[in-house]
Amino acid sequence: EDQVTQSPEALRLQEGESSSLNCSYTVSGLRGLFWYRQDPGKGPEFLFTLYSAGEEKEKERLKATLTKKESFLHITAPKPEDSATYLCAVGPGGAGNNRKLIWGLGTSLAVNP
Amino acid sequence: DSGVTQTPKHLITATGQRVTLRCSPRSGDLSVYWYQQSLDQGLQFLIQYYNGEERAKGNILERFSAQQFPDLHSELNLSSLELGDSALYFCASSAAPLVDTQYFGPGTRLTVL
Repeated sequence: EDQVTQSPEALRLQEGESSSLNCSYTVSGLRGLFWYRQDPGKGPEFLFTLYSAGEEKEKERLKATLTKKESFLHITAPKPEDSATYLCAVGPGGAGNNRKLIWGLGTSLAVNP
Repeated sequence: DSGVTQTPKHLITATGQRVTLRCSPRSGDLSVYWYQQSLDQGLQFLIQYYNGEERAKGNILERFSAQQFPDLHSELNLSSLELGDSALYFCASSAAPLVDTQYFGPGTRLTVL
């Protein structure tokens, strides 16, 4: 069964304290892995798409990496404004309903000043 | 701003009633997706349309229906509303029919009293 698991569920960091969020997945084939940021009561904001193992993408303090089984979202020297829930989604291969994304439950990140 | 618009932002109604949520995709995007997010729950995929045709179906109740019009905007109809239908409803759009980066709207918060 296609599955996406994110860990930890919640993470509290001090400003400047770097860390990583994990997204592990089991799907039959991989069309793409997506990272989003969601603020409370708002729509998810697209961050990155990764397509193949070994791929890396960066944006400001965020860096996403991908292996055959998991993805990491590295946060370097976070600031309070990085506080949000980070969502991971995977697009499995196959036809029909397998086209839909499989979503993780997210990691809630709080960065204290 | 993702370019996806949703109306209304808030909706308060009573049990048993029917409501319609509206979504306009980003310019040029042909795919529209609908999601439900209840308090402290993950994103639940409801349904996808591509260029007017239903493409994929998720956990959408029979009381819910959707359509995509020739101008590509989409509507999600929720009927015989129950208290448990209270949630955030998000629309997302993407350029392609297959798994592709989805851009989310700001959401409609539905409260059923």
